[in-house]
Amino acid sequence: GAVVSQHPSWVICKSGTSVKIECRSLDFQATTMFWYRQFPKQSLMLMATSNEGSKATYEQGVEKDKFLINHASLTLSTLTVTSAHPEDSSFYICSAPQGGDYGYTFGSGTRLTVV
Amino acid sequence: DQQVKQNSPSLSVQEGRISILNCDYTNSMFDYFLWYKKYPAEGPTFLISISSIKDKNEDGRFTVFLNKSAKHLSLHIVPSQPGDSAVYFCAASGISSGSARQLTFGSGTQLTVLP
Repeated sequence: GAVVSQHPSWVICKSGTSVKIECRSLDFQATTMFWYRQFPKQSLMLMATSNEGSKATYEQGVEKDKFLINHASLTLSTLTVTSAHPEDSSFYICSAPQGGDYGYTFGSGTRLTVV
Repeated sequence: DQQVKQNSPSLSVQEGRISILNCDYTNSMFDYFLWYKKYPAEGPTFLISISSIKDKNEDGRFTVFLNKSAKHLSLHIVPSQPGDSAVYFCAASGISSGSARQLTFGSGTQLTVLP
């Protein structure tokens, strides 16, 4: 079946540094990638939608200058957390629709800890 | 404003018995509903879905029921097995202005199946 490879699976970084998270669609083309964030014991909150070759669409309240999204090819979307702060510590997950309207494949998630 | 609600944060069931997870939604534009299973530090995995034109969909031990008039859906797992212990997310999708449908997630229900 369709696979979205997400890495790193976990990362610890210092405050003020930037972290890049990659999501690759391995056996299908992902023209769209959804980026979610999950706080402990809470729902997955949609942060932004990236579209190959165009600017990402950010949800209300998400800082586009802080969470840089790039979707340069049909198989790769990246989320860069810039100038990370401890409050950015969270679980980030990507998801791509595949095959028709209703199939969604999720990456395995990235646990980010900012110290 | 939570458009998808899972009011029970946790549920414990004895092995072999039925597990019933509930989900309510408020947006009448939602026309497709999905259930995902999630283990800690992993991405969600798709379980079962249902279109709004149906009121029931069954796949092995998993059955999803949809009551459109009540804006309510439920996931039945029978018989429950210890391996079913995980967080279950309800998600809804509707017509969006973009080319791909976004998912709106509930807050999840932690199911624990006791041996």
